[in-house]
Amino acid sequence: DAMVIQNPRYQVTQFGKPVTLSCSQTLNHNVMYWYQQKSSQAPKLLFHYYDKDFNNEADTPDNFQSRRPNTSFCFLDIRSPGLGDAAMYLCATGQGSGYEQYFGPGTRLTVT
Amino acid sequence: GENVEQHPSTLSVQEGDSAVIKCTYSDSASNYFPWYKQELGKRPQLIIDIRSNVGEKKDQRIAVTLNKTAKHFSLHITETQPEDSAVYFCAAWATNKLIFGTGTLLAVQP
Repeated sequence: DAMVIQNPRYQVTQFGKPVTLSCSQTLNHNVMYWYQQKSSQAPKLLFHYYDKDFNNEADTPDNFQSRRPNTSFCFLDIRSPGLGDAAMYLCATGQGSGYEQYFGPGTRLTVT
Repeated sequence: GENVEQHPSTLSVQEGDSAVIKCTYSDSASNYFPWYKQELGKRPQLIIDIRSNVGEKKDQRIAVTLNKTAKHFSLHITETQPEDSAVYFCAAWATNKLIFGTGTLLAVQP
């Protein structure tokens, strides 16, 4: 089945220790998004790729970086995680603008 | 900037009753309005969406209405069931991204 896959599903990292979350898709969508979602809140867009074009949200901390080496894969790098970065990180894909976004299952990040 | 307001933040109904969640958006150029259901610990899942050229859309027990003039859109769930209990998010497409509402926690009491 075509889908959005995130690995790992659960990640524990230490304060300040870099961590990378991965997302892959078999939908062949040209847009990939990274959201941060904290408990009881709406998903918060961090950035997205429209094909190879990177679009950063103005309020996304510099601590968060992203890479999209090809259509299928996208990575979220957190250079120096703080306690406030503990959250669910959701990857989503979409085909063009103004269409449905398909969410992956998320990666639950814990910072100790 | 773009904004989507969602009300109520919590909603408790008896099984079989109807539930209505309302959203207001700020960007008059918004043309796509999805609704997502998110169960605890799971991904948001699209349950219904509507485009700006349509005023109403229905899918079994779920319906969405859109008033472009007033910039309002609403989710209607009829004959609610316990499995409808979840957090519901409205969203509006604006400037290459979805703007989400703050969510509504729906509890359906058996």
